[in-house]
Amino acid sequence: GAGVSQSPRYKVAKRGQDVALRCDPISGHVSLFWYQQALGQGPEFLTYFQNEAQLDKSGLPSDRFFAERPEGSVSTLKIQRTQQEDSAVYLCASSGLGTGPNYGYTFGSGTRLTVV
Amino acid sequence: AQKVTQAQTEISVVEKEDVTLDCVYETRDTTYYLFWYKQPPSGELVFLIRRNSFDEQNEISGRYSWNFQKSTSSFNFTITASQVVDSAVYFCALSEGGGTDKLIFGTGTRLQVFP
Repeated sequence: GAGVSQSPRYKVAKRGQDVALRCDPISGHVSLFWYQQALGQGPEFLTYFQNEAQLDKSGLPSDRFFAERPEGSVSTLKIQRTQQEDSAVYLCASSGLGTGPNYGYTFGSGTRLTVV
Repeated sequence: AQKVTQAQTEISVVEKEDVTLDCVYETRDTTYYLFWYKQPPSGELVFLIRRNSFDEQNEISGRYSWNFQKSTSSFNFTITASQVVDSAVYFCALSEGGGTDKLIFGTGTRLQVFP
């Protein structure tokens, strides 16, 4: 597609529920990033994929967070046993080979997760 | 450690005023990149500019201009003759050369431009 697509746009989960957030990057983009943005804060890095390889997951806050990109295109961020502190906007971004943020990669509109 | 500080939480101006958004960064690397992103109410982060650490030349793009000063570790953003459509949250970000190119964002400055 023309841009990075994320779904759902909004998600309300009960505490303890598992959720899955989807990111559809720009076709052909090699690099994919997930960021978490709490209310009133800047985005914080969660994880990075180059094709299907997860090269950096240093930002994942706990082992309840898991991300995958099995075929090097669509990515899913899964949060198990959600907690209230997981409430945030989850942003996905992608970029082409060799560009990275040097060209300012493209962000999606995010998924707003609210845990009640 | 890398860090980006945007001390201005919120700025309000009247249309046609000039406004400068401050950004101060910390890094131990000699090669790094600085960015500005705009986040309108829709939530999507819109890329505005990238600057590498070896290029201190100031940049102008229409009503937007950026002042990069390594001596003070600052990368300030000025909007000339502001418009209502400029109302958004603006983020400054830092990335070190190589590695995963992950961005370290500041906390953002909310700009409100009133007619």
